[in-house]
Amino acid sequence: EAGVAQSPRYKIIEKRQSVAFWCNPISGHATLYWYQQILGQGPKLLIQFQNNGVVDDSQLPKDRFSAERLKGVDSTLKIQPAKLEDSAVYLCASSLGGRYTSNYGYTFGSGTRLTVV
Amino acid sequence: AQSVSQHNHHVILSEAASLELGCNYSYGGTVNLFWYVQYPGQHLQLLLKYFSGDPLVKGIKGFEAEFIKSKFSFNLRKPSVQWSDTAEYFCAVIPYNQGGKLIFGQGTELSVKP
Repeated sequence: EAGVAQSPRYKIIEKRQSVAFWCNPISGHATLYWYQQILGQGPKLLIQFQNNGVVDDSQLPKDRFSAERLKGVDSTLKIQPAKLEDSAVYLCASSLGGRYTSNYGYTFGSGTRLTVV
Repeated sequence: AQSVSQHNHHVILSEAASLELGCNYSYGGTVNLFWYVQYPGQHLQLLLKYFSGDPLVKGIKGFEAEFIKSKFSFNLRKPSVQWSDTAEYFCAVIPYNQGGKLIFGQGTELSVKP
């Protein structure tokens, strides 16, 4: 099966600019996640979608970050305006949802490496 | 605060040495446990998982992990490492009744010298 697709792979922007990342999960996966992985740290969950509804966005800095999952398939994550501390790899993951998630975990995309200068 | 802790930030081994990476979690109740690996420039891949049954689980590439409930631990082991095992290893937990949220430790970087 095709994996989780993310684009772009790399992005360099200046602080205060805006940026958007795109994710296409595995077909049929109801649950989609965005994680932020800062260098030297483990991934941190930003937002979790179940179909096109938000399940958990408690860790999302909502003053500058936004995410949507229209039609319950693809998702975009936006940062506006970006700060230096937003430099990180942004990972998208998907899972079947429900008990399948607990038993089988997630499938991750390759990530987008963002550098804010 | 509830968390996942990995004891070692960076481990350096010679080929054929044995490996054990520590992982402890602080969530009560039922948990599902995972180890992921991230090779340089690649995405996170699942090494192995535990959700019930035999606490000793075997994964890909000769890795295994043991769940010790009384110690809240899920240590990763490999009897003989290879240069190709050089990667970052992440322990992760899905606590019960938290909506399937996967929570990661901070990672352990493994460097294997040929």
